[in-house]
Amino acid sequence: DTAVSQTPKYLVTQMGNDKSIKCEQNLGHDTMYWYKQDSKKFLKIMFSYNNKELIINETVPNRFSPKSPDKAHLNLHINSLELGDSAVYFCASSQEFIAGGSSYNEQFFGPGTRLTVL
Amino acid sequence: AQSVAQPEDQVNVAEGNPLTVKCTYSVSGNPYLFWYVQYPNRGLQFLLKYITGDNLVKGSYGFEAEFNKSQTSFHLKKPSALVSDSALYFCAVRDPGGGNKLTFGTGTQLKVEL
Repeated sequence: DTAVSQTPKYLVTQMGNDKSIKCEQNLGHDTMYWYKQDSKKFLKIMFSYNNKELIINETVPNRFSPKSPDKAHLNLHINSLELGDSAVYFCASSQEFIAGGSSYNEQFFGPGTRLTVL
Repeated sequence: AQSVAQPEDQVNVAEGNPLTVKCTYSVSGNPYLFWYVQYPNRGLQFLLKYITGDNLVKGSYGFEAEFNKSQTSFHLKKPSALVSDSALYFCAVRDPGGGNKLTFGTGTQLKVEL
């Protein structure tokens, strides 16, 4: 059973198009994340949701809009795609909060979605 | 602001030899430190973490890391490297005062040769 899954695995599209990436976790975690890994393998957080509520929103163009319909799903919609959006996008999840406070648990990553904008 | 430095882009080691992948950090308070590994075309996998307690942390696949507060370092080590350890390794830090944001280093490519 895949813990954190993403679809699609590969996405090739033209500049200006709108596309979505979906993520699902079956770990029962309360927090989900989107990361972007560029061609130099730099990994940077984009968004974080806890129980469907946005809690981290890094400096990301507003063409990127995350949506969390429930705590097991976090989707990423990208409008007006640009060449610079080409990257691998990783979804992750963790159990952040436990009785008494934060858990500081590790994050579990999905396999990634390789987006290529032509 | 929290940050992590991995000073080596690549580390080469012969199979059977000990390996060290370096990491230094900067946070405003006590750090929470993590190591992850990424195999080609895969997502990141958690190896180990330091939250509190013993400075020597043991993790998956025989890896361990030593937290050194005075040197603000958290180097990853393994006594005997395997060819299958060849991968990209990321150090990450979480500032207790920074919410649940994890900041990653730039990664170190480990190559273990026969």
